[in-house]
Amino acid sequence: GEEVAQTPKHLVRGEGQKAKLYCAPIKGHSYVFWYQQVLKNEFKFLISFQNENVFDETGMPKERFSAKCLPNSPCSLEIQATKLEDSAVYFCASSRLQGRSNQPQHFGDGTRLSIL
Amino acid sequence: GQQLNQSPQSMFIQEGEDVSMNCTSSSIFNTWLWYKQDPGEGPVLLIALYKAGELTSNGRLTAQFGITRKDSFLNISASIPSDVGIYFCAGLTFTGNQFYFGTGTSLTVIP
Repeated sequence: GEEVAQTPKHLVRGEGQKAKLYCAPIKGHSYVFWYQQVLKNEFKFLISFQNENVFDETGMPKERFSAKCLPNSPCSLEIQATKLEDSAVYFCASSRLQGRSNQPQHFGDGTRLSIL
Repeated sequence: GQQLNQSPQSMFIQEGEDVSMNCTSSSIFNTWLWYKQDPGEGPVLLIALYKAGELTSNGRLTAQFGITRKDSFLNISASIPSDVGIYFCAGLTFTGNQFYFGTGTSLTVIP
């Protein structure tokens, strides 16, 4: 599609439950990025993919967070055993493949995750 | 990670006034982006800059890639109420694989 589509828009989970977020990048974009935005508005980089392959995962909390981008499926970000501090808005962005990854990222509208 | 210092943190201005905000880094960047985020939505790309000294406009918005490659500026002329939102800069180093984001400038336009 012409926009990055993120689902669901809101997700509420009890502490300790699993949360799974989805992202469909813009058609033709080869890079997908996940960010976490908390109250201070800072965007914390989590992970990026080049097609199905992990490109950079330096921001991922490895213990409970995982992500995938499989062919012909939306990308996903999964959090196991959620904690209160996981409450945030999670944004997905995508960009074209061209040289080094300096193509502008286009963002979805985010998934607001609330852990109770 | 990289630190991008964005200022001011917030601005309250009268409709019709011009606005200036900037972003500075301790590292040299090869790409600067400026985004606007409205409440409940994702950031929307306003301007992309790829060369030192580059000056690019998008309607009433003008952004510049600093000569030192360590800073960038965004100006909004003749502000209107729909300019309200949070503006973010983002930069990419020559060796980096990811964009680093500033902490945002919250703009309020008083009619």
